[in-house]
This record gives sequence, C-alpha cells and structure tokens, in this order.
Amino acid sequence: DTGVSQNPRHKITKRGQNVTFRCDPISEHNRLYWYRQTLGQGPEFLTYFQNEAQLEKSRLLSDRFSAERPKGSFSTLEIQRTEQGDSAMYLCASSSAGTHEQYFGPGTRLTVT
Amino acid sequence: AQTVTQSQPEMSVQEAETVTLSCTYDTSESDYYLFWYKQPPSRQMILVIRQEAYKQQNATENRFSVNFQKAAKSFSLKISDSQLGDAAMYFCAYSGRRGGSQGNLIFGKGTKLSVKP
Repeated sequence: DTGVSQNPRHKITKRGQNVTFRCDPISEHNRLYWYRQTLGQGPEFLTYFQNEAQLEKSRLLSDRFSAERPKGSFSTLEIQRTEQGDSAMYLCASSSAGTHEQYFGPGTRLTVT
Repeated sequence: AQTVTQSQPEMSVQEAETVTLSCTYDTSESDYYLFWYKQPPSRQMILVIRQEAYKQQNATENRFSVNFQKAAKSFSLKISDSQLGDAAMYFCAYSGRRGGSQGNLIFGKGTKLSVKP
C-alpha cells in the first residue's frame, strides 16, 4: 500500500499527558498537511510542510502543539498537556507541489479522558 | 478570509437516481481550486473531483460532475446513477493558489448522503 499512513489509529490518554502521532506521506509527495476534525464538522487546517520546512501554521495550533518533519519524509504531531478539548480526529494529507490534490490518511482518533 | 458553505446537512437519494449537493464559497482571489471529497463512515477521506477556477469547462469523473458558476461562487456536485457505495459525508473544499492560503484546504461542514435501495 503506497497511500498515506498514520499511527496510531486510536489513542486514549488522560488529561495532562503528552501524545505524539506519526504520519508517513506518499513517498514522492513533498507537501504534508495536518488537519483536525471534530464530530460533525469538516477538517480544519493546522499546519503545512514543504519538504522539511514548516511554511504555515493555523491560529488553532496553540503552543501546546508542535509538528516536525525531519528530512522531509515522515512527520510527527505532538500535543503537550492534553485537554479534553483536544479530543478529535487528527488527519494527515500529502500532495505534490503544484497539483493541489491532497491525499488523506486514515487519521488518528484521540480521546482525552 | 475564504469560507465554504454547505447548506444541506443531509440529503437522501434513491438508488440509480441523480442527486445534487450544493456548495457556495467566498473569496477575493481570482485563481483557486475547488474540490469535493467523500468520507465514508469510519473510513478515510477520498478525493472525488477537482475544478480549477480558470477553467470554464465543468469537471467530470465518471458518474460525478460539477456545476461551477464562478460569478455566483457556486460549486455543486451531481452524482448520477447513485449506488449504495456512494453513501458518505461529502465535503466541499477550497484551496487558493497564492499567498497565505496556498496549499491548505478550507472545508465546508459537509453533507451526509444516504442512498436508499
């Protein structure tokens, strides 16, 4: 399978704990995006990488959130000191520069108790 | 700021019939992309169709076609010969080509489509 993969698929954590999610994009794609989707809503943009450079961050990305994409391959999204409001599906997508067609992974569902 | 509005929270269609999902958007940009994505229950988001704003011809992908009205900022999706597998949430999305909106997608709230056998 050469699609976008995300791990873990589900994560349950207690409030105040840190969590980290991983996204592996389609291998030839140099752009990688993170989105958050809550129940009954469309995905909301969080951040965007072109290769290893983080080029755009949403105001939704508070200072408890950090994302990295070392070497321009996989990416990680870390949430520190989780809050119940962080419970959501975290989606990763990738695309080639110039196409604007984004391909999504299956998402990581986070539940903060 | 760009916005995308889907005014139909839910729609229903009989198998083999045709259904149209509505989407309007607001932008001050002249060059952009519009997309329809499908999200089946508990499954990942799938790209259905895309439209480039500078192209007047409406995009078509098999049973899926769009009606793109740039002046009216309207972008509807028509599904012909509906199948049970078309049942899903459908999201309309916008992506600018320049400036700060380049790259990220702005989604509507979605329309839940049910297909009756």
